[in-house]
Amino acid sequence: AQSVTQPDIHITVSEGASLELRCNYSYGATPYLFWYVQSPGQGLQLLLKYFSGDTLVQGIKGFEAEFKRSQSSFNLRKPSVHWSDAAEYFCAVGAVGNEKLTFGTGTRLTIIP
Amino acid sequence: DVKVTQSSRYLVKRTGEKVFLECVQDMDHENMFWYRQDPGLGLRLIYFSYDVKMKEKGDIPEGYSVSREKKERFSLILESASTNQTSMYLCATIDRKNNEQFFGPGTRLTVL
Repeated sequence: AQSVTQPDIHITVSEGASLELRCNYSYGATPYLFWYVQSPGQGLQLLLKYFSGDTLVQGIKGFEAEFKRSQSSFNLRKPSVHWSDAAEYFCAVGAVGNEKLTFGTGTRLTIIP
Repeated sequence: DVKVTQSSRYLVKRTGEKVFLECVQDMDHENMFWYRQDPGLGLRLIYFSYDVKMKEKGDIPEGYSVSREKKERFSLILESASTNQTSMYLCATIDRKNNEQFFGPGTRLTVL
């Protein structure tokens, strides 16, 4: 069975600082990996996804993530956060031929001035 | 752009009431999903539909049923609402070419 772990429930960073959100997955085959963002009171919006190829993936809003098979990780990064990045972030894993995604429990990001 | 709409943003119901949550998508996607979202638990799949009149239980189907009479519409039904069903409910559809899911804005249901 596939699973996703987001070890950080809540992270606080200063505006302009760099950000890394951790995601570890468990899946037997090559996974599809996703990061979604949820602003307060909203649904989820896709930030970026990895299927194959280049392990460094660029997304929207200046985010990137790196797939590391040896560490079963897909961490999300941003070099300089903005106050508008305050939201909840979800990592998800899926697979070829399986439309169901498994989501992590989320990381809430707070930005301080 | 894919659009997924949910009939209500906020809903307040009483224990024992029958509750319908509606979801409509405009991209002709075959697969649709209902999730519930609770703090610290992330998104959990309630039911999944892969075609009209076809459905499959997710991880937490107890207390829920679904209806898919038309391709664009997927309804979640709480036959007899209970307070432990107070939650945020999210509907999603999927582009099967790349497994990307598209979400509605959510319905925050409170059962009193």
